[in-house]
Amino acid sequence: KNQVEQSPQSLIILEGKNCTLQCNYTVSPFSNLRWYKQDTGRGPVSLTIMTFSENTKSNGRYTATLDADTKQSSLHITASQLSDSASYICVVSSSGGSYIPTFGRGTSLIVHP
Amino acid sequence: NAGVTQTPKFQVLKTGQSMTLQCAQDMNHNSMYWYRQDPGMGLRLIYYSASEGTTDKGEVPNGYNVSRLNKREFSLRLESAAPSQTSVYFCASRSDRGIGEQFFGPGTRLTVL
Repeated sequence: KNQVEQSPQSLIILEGKNCTLQCNYTVSPFSNLRWYKQDTGRGPVSLTIMTFSENTKSNGRYTATLDADTKQSSLHITASQLSDSASYICVVSSSGGSYIPTFGRGTSLIVHP
Repeated sequence: NAGVTQTPKFQVLKTGQSMTLQCAQDMNHNSMYWYRQDPGMGLRLIYYSASEGTTDKGEVPNGYNVSRLNKREFSLRLESAAPSQTSVYFCASRSDRGIGEQFFGPGTRLTVL
């Protein structure tokens, strides 16, 4: 069964600090991995998308890495801001057939001033 | 270009009542999805539609029906609401280009008493 596990479940950091969120997956065959940001009361919004051949992708202060061999990804947030407080969801898709991605349960990040 | 829109934003039902959640997208996408999101559970797929005229069950379809009215619209119906259906419902559509990013609506928060 395809699975996506995220850690930590929740994280509290001070404004200006860096943090790293983790994602491990068992989806096969692998197609792509996405990180979404979900603000409270809103739908998820895509931050980064990586395919098998990509091992890093940046979007401003967000940098995602992918190790397809160990089936791990991380999302690094640099110089956190209060607006980074949100849930971050890792989503992995397999290739072929109907497009049914596998969602992680998310990491809830709180940034304190 | 509104992306994915959902109505209503909030709804309170009594057990046994019925209702339809509406979803529309203006991006000319073929694929559309309905998810529910519960605390600690992440997003779970209820139904999806790979193209106009087709629908398929997802992970948690019991108690729901869907209609792909046309390419733009995909509705979710609860025939006899139950308290277990209290959740936040998200509609999504998927781009047919490249690796197919999913775009989410703002969600409908449903409470069944």
